[in-house]
Amino acid sequence: GAGVSQTPSNKVTEKGKYVELRCDPISGHTALYWYRQSLGQGPEFLIYFQGTGAADDSGLPNDRFFAVRPEGSVSTLKIQRTERGDSAVYLCASSSSGTSGGHNEQFFGPGTRLTVL
Amino acid sequence: AQSVAQPEDQVNVAEGNPLTVKCTYSVSGNPYLFWYVQYPNRGLQFLLKYITGDNLVKGSYGFEAEFNKSQTSFHLKKPSALVSDSALYFCAVRDYNTGGFKTIFGAGTRLFVKA
Repeated sequence: GAGVSQTPSNKVTEKGKYVELRCDPISGHTALYWYRQSLGQGPEFLIYFQGTGAADDSGLPNDRFFAVRPEGSVSTLKIQRTERGDSAVYLCASSSSGTSGGHNEQFFGPGTRLTVL
Repeated sequence: AQSVAQPEDQVNVAEGNPLTVKCTYSVSGNPYLFWYVQYPNRGLQFLLKYITGDNLVKGSYGFEAEFNKSQTSFHLKKPSALVSDSALYFCAVRDYNTGGFKTIFGAGTRLFVKA
């Protein structure tokens, strides 16, 4: 079956602009995660969805970052007033873990490389 | 707060030799521990996990890891390295008592296996 897909694969934008990054999880996976990975670093947790709701958004760096998952499947990460420091690879992952789980492995997408000029 | 340390940026090993990639963690509760691998131009892939039970866990591609609670470590091992094992390896932890669903990743260790 299809894995996690992310679009676009690359996004170049100018400082101050708004961007949206999309994630299509594996069908049937209720859990969805967003991470940010800077060069030479491991993935940094941003937000976790269980179904349609954001169960843990403690990793969002500030209020310029927002994510939605309106139908419990596709998710969009939105960044307002982008800054050069937002440049990174944004990773999405999904898993089949339910509310009583949390220990199931995550399946990662290929990422979106965001460059803010 | 949760944290993960991978003390080695890079590990070099000859093909056929055993390999170890180190990981230590810090959580206030009890950990779920994971290893992921990232091959060039490919996404992160799950290797193995420790949830509970036997401290030695076996995973994909012949890898295994040992959970050591007293040393708060979860080192990744393989008895005989292959050139194709060369990749970037990440250790990750989740504190299932207090950390919610947040997974914390280490900075990664690059493994080079020479033929």
